Amino acid sequence: NAGVTQTPKFRVLKTGQSMTLLCAQDMNHEYMYWYRQDPGMGLRLIHYSVGEGTTAKGEVPDGYNVSRLKKQNFLLGLESAAPSQTSVYFCASSYSRATSTYTDTQYFGPGTRLTVL
Amino acid sequence: GESVGLHLPTLSVQEGDNSIINCAYSNSASDYFIWYKQESGKGPQFIIDIRSNMDKRQGQRVTVLLNKTVKHLSLQIAATQPGDSAVYFCAENPFGGGGGNKLTFGTGTQLKVEL
Repeated sequence: NAGVTQTPKFRVLKTGQSMTLLCAQDMNHEYMYWYRQDPGMGLRLIHYSVGEGTTAKGEVPDGYNVSRLKKQNFLLGLESAAPSQTSVYFCASSYSRATSTYTDTQYFGPGTRLTVL
Repeated sequence: GESVGLHLPTLSVQEGDNSIINCAYSNSASDYFIWYKQESGKGPQFIIDIRSNMDKRQGQRVTVLLNKTVKHLSLQIAATQPGDSAVYFCAENPFGGGGGNKLTFGTGTQLKVEL
């Protein structure tokens, strides 16, 4: 059971380049999330998904797109990278609505450090 | 807007002492709160959570206290160890379990354990 994994761990892009970050979870979670973390700040939600085939905008969605074609995967895309997107990106997953057995706890991946020059 | 914040950005404690990390929240509708620990270069790790129908919850060496009257959350770490050195985040779910279970995170407190 690997939990939440992210690919790649590090990446350097030039302004205008595109890339896709991959998140995978093996816990059969319904919900998945993409966050960015900047120095001195907490995590900010970019996009999230409440199930396969669904996505929704979070707090800072501009400049990013996402897809959830398979339940276990959540992809984050940058179509035209900008220096302002230099950040550490974290993926997380959680069970769906809290029940007596499960909580809303989000489990995080190790992060992807992205630098845009 | 609604926010979750921490009172102290950095907390230094001696090994073996107890640590208390505080968090203020402003959304009275929040019903679920979580503490995360983040070590350098790693993702946030779940420590403990608490629902709004509780005032206190204990885990292994950690206790979370919730004071809904003053909208205050605290994390107590007993017998702090060097391995506890990390940034600690509080987070709240302001949507009552719905809305995709989105969390609002505080900015974090750096805990430094001195030998």
